[in-house]
Amino acid sequence: DIQMTQSPASLSASLGETVTIQCRASEDIYSGLAWYQQKPGKSPQLLIYGASSLQDGVPSRFSGSGSGTQYSLKISSMQTEDEGVYFCQQGLKYPYTFGAGTKLELK
Amino acid sequence: EVQLVESGGGLVQPGRSLKLSCAASGFTFSNYGMAWVRQAPTKGLEWVATISYDGSSTYYRDSVKGRFTISRDNAKSTLYLQMDSLRSEDTATYYCARSLNYGGYSAAFDYWGQGVMVTVSS
Repeated sequence: DIQMTQSPASLSASLGETVTIQCRASEDIYSGLAWYQQKPGKSPQLLIYGASSLQDGVPSRFSGSGSGTQYSLKISSMQTEDEGVYFCQQGLKYPYTFGAGTKLELK
Repeated sequence: EVQLVESGGGLVQPGRSLKLSCAASGFTFSNYGMAWVRQAPTKGLEWVATISYDGSSTYYRDSVKGRFTISRDNAKSTLYLQMDSLRSEDTATYYCARSLNYGGYSAAFDYWGQGVMVTVSS
């Protein structure tokens, strides 16, 4: 199975601050990488797919980058509503696997 | 508006069975692959199974292979998950999700249901 390692496990950011979350795959996933946001008691929401394609309706302050085994999600200006847990997911090979999550809080 | 509504969860004893349903609306169900993803309490996300748009292909994680069966009824726009020989480690919230295929061979999940809780305990 492809292992997905996210870092950091948690972080806090001030309003307007730039936030970056990392995700490393145990093998090359050829940009088959998605990012999700999950708020408490809610279902996950797709933010980014294909490593860098922004899902419809997602604010442009979210962006994704990376290739091979290394990927990142950037929030260019932290907002109150961005609090939540962020997960990466590889969708190249079965079984699809998720990172353990990064909890983002407002400082 | 795309909607996915799960039902059928509950408390079940180890070794027993349960069948989850997911009613889809707001899109042409028969055009999309579908999946089940679960989340144990306070834990991360775990892909369970995927079915192709026409039901001809199914894929499972090893820990549920031979115990769970994913299926669909395109006439009813409904996805199912038959869960047999349930174990305590199957306790989780189960989400129905629509597959977004991209890049020719990769997939993400672009719409999710609200989730249904399955508790396996004696």
